[in-house]
Amino acid sequence: AQKVTQAQTEISVVEKEDVTLDCVYETRDTTYYLFWYKQPPSGELVFLIRRNSFDEQNEISGRYSWNFQKSTSSFNFTITASQVVDSAVYFCALSVFQGAQKLVFGQGTRLTINP
Amino acid sequence: ETGVTQTPRHLVMGMTNKKSLKCEQHLGHNAMYWYKQSAKKPLELMFVYNFKEQTENNSVPSRFSPECPNSSHLFLHLHTLQPEDSALYLCASSQREPVVNEQFFGPGTRLTVL
Repeated sequence: AQKVTQAQTEISVVEKEDVTLDCVYETRDTTYYLFWYKQPPSGELVFLIRRNSFDEQNEISGRYSWNFQKSTSSFNFTITASQVVDSAVYFCALSVFQGAQKLVFGQGTRLTINP
Repeated sequence: ETGVTQTPRHLVMGMTNKKSLKCEQHLGHNAMYWYKQSAKKPLELMFVYNFKEQTENNSVPSRFSPECPNSSHLFLHLHTLQPEDSALYLCASSQREPVVNEQFFGPGTRLTVL
């Protein structure tokens, strides 16, 4: 069975601080995909990144960066120089291809950036 | 048109009512999904449709009935719901193959059952 754990329920930081959101996953499959989504107050989940299990290269996109480490089954997300607009709930998710694409989500981390 | 639309955005219904949620995707995808998001639970997958065929029913009670008439439209028919069914219902779509692709979500329907 697949499982995703986001141990941080809520994080609150002051604007311009860097913040890291943790994600730990469990799966017995050797081929799997990891995702991060952002859910602003409007409710719609916004796709941020997809990473497959064979690509451990870290990725940077503007102020966002992701650290994928298979050895610790972690896929952490860092926001550099946070802004108020980054305030949202962030979800980490895992998917394995078993005939249907099923996303297993973590509990989510509510991030509040204070001005 | 934005990628995935859902109507209505808000719905209040009694336990004896029958209502339907609608989802439409404009992305040319061939898989569609219903998720339930409750206040204190992770997002729960309810149903998966691939090429209009239901391939997953995640032990959802029969008071929820999905319908997928074509690859662009997905409905969730509701009847005799319970107050604990109050939640945000999210629709998503994706391109099914050849790899696992990201799912694109609609804005959701906020459902309140009285």
